[in-house]
Amino acid sequence: ETGVTQTPRHLVMGMTNKKSLKCEQHLGHNAMYWYKQSAKKPLELMFVYNFKEQTENNSVPSRFSPECPNSSHLFLHLHTLQPEDSALYLCASSQGTPGGQETQYFGPGTRLLVL
Amino acid sequence: GDSVTQMEGPVTLSEEAFLTINCTYTATGYPSLFWYVQYPGEGLQLLLKATKADDKGSNKGFEATYRKETTSFHLEKGSVQVSDSAVYFCALSDLIQGAQKLVFGQGTRLTINP
Repeated sequence: ETGVTQTPRHLVMGMTNKKSLKCEQHLGHNAMYWYKQSAKKPLELMFVYNFKEQTENNSVPSRFSPECPNSSHLFLHLHTLQPEDSALYLCASSQGTPGGQETQYFGPGTRLLVL
Repeated sequence: GDSVTQMEGPVTLSEEAFLTINCTYTATGYPSLFWYVQYPGEGLQLLLKATKADDKGSNKGFEATYRKETTSFHLEKGSVQVSDSAVYFCALSDLIQGAQKLVFGQGTRLTINP
């Protein structure tokens, strides 16, 4: 049990659908992250939030829209996705202390299939 | 930019064999180094880490030493078990505005046969 939960665990959507992925952490952390894990590619950092402020957008297409209403919750809103967006989307959290060499804790991921 | 290179997989070994998974990195500054493990159907779990040169991280029989002179962080285990079958990721950390950015290698799939 890592203290980071993600819902749904599996999602199938059409290219015209709108859906949202949810992540919740119960660790009292201040930083939260979205990663994309595709087959045969390294894990790619998508977004970083620190104390609810977005500090990193790693050139992610606008069809992915993150939202961080508080330090415990992180959403990824999806609209008009493409089949190549099919992947495992992982959420992580960390303490967020400046200068800290800290550990990130990962959720189990949402397996997304875009048809 | 920073990068991590892992040995190509998949790696298949027999139970009780010795394991080495190579990892090298390029980075400016002095990053922390990590090994994460991903079991089937699950997210990533931290296996071990080292925060400075010559540090050795260890956990569950796995070890890795931060070698600054060779920019390496190779993962080793003396006697593997079937339950060690998983994908292993080497990563380094970089700080971005107070939060941590992890740069991952491509992962190495390990299968242990009984």
